[in-house]
Amino acid sequence: QVQLQESGPGLVKPSETLSLTCTVSGGSINSYYWSWIRQPPGKGLEWVAYIFYSGSTKYNPSLKSRVTISLDTSKNLFSLKLSSVTAADTAVYYCAREMGSGGTDGFDLWGQGTLVTVSS
Amino acid sequence: SYELTQPLSVSVALGQTARITCGGNNIRAKNVHWYQQKPGQAPVLVIYRDSNRPSGIPERFSGSNSGNTATLTITRAQAGDEADYYCQVWDSSTAVFGGGTKLTVL
Repeated sequence: QVQLQESGPGLVKPSETLSLTCTVSGGSINSYYWSWIRQPPGKGLEWVAYIFYSGSTKYNPSLKSRVTISLDTSKNLFSLKLSSVTAADTAVYYCAREMGSGGTDGFDLWGQGTLVTVSS
Repeated sequence: SYELTQPLSVSVALGQTARITCGGNNIRAKNVHWYQQKPGQAPVLVIYRDSNRPSGIPERFSGSNSGNTATLTITRAQAGDEADYYCQVWDSSTAVFGGGTKLTVL
């Protein structure tokens, strides 16, 4: 079955750029909408961005100026970059698949999540 | 921006019915999705588009949406249902989550 796996550094220094990758296995990335969602320790969920295999993207307005989402269909993965990070960006970052057609449905498949800590 | 309001906590006796609400302005006009999250685990979709259950989710989980409130109902609550529950909608192509509700099974 389709699985998602996040990877990337667990520690990022303040003001630097956070970079994460989500590898899609057991299925093709060439369909569905793919998102990043984060959860600060002990807090709720916050959607960050999505991308469609065509390259169409959408960002959370509160993060838009610092976020870039991209995908590599040849490697079946998509990525997140968040620039100028602060301690407030410390969170578990999840990649997830939306079951519908972009901005309509729930997220039916999630990665296990990866904790990223922003600290010097 | 659109806001979703959930109670911080809900308690239910073992075997009884739990109801978790999600409030939003005219939320009935939106599709509401619900997630269950247990400690240290990723969220799991339990209800999509107001009242649909994904494959593998027990029939004990159901959802409704009317007026300004969507509701997740869990009948015959079990100890294994103890978790955080989040509602989610889309607004202007942006996913919005409620603050989450901690369900305690007594």
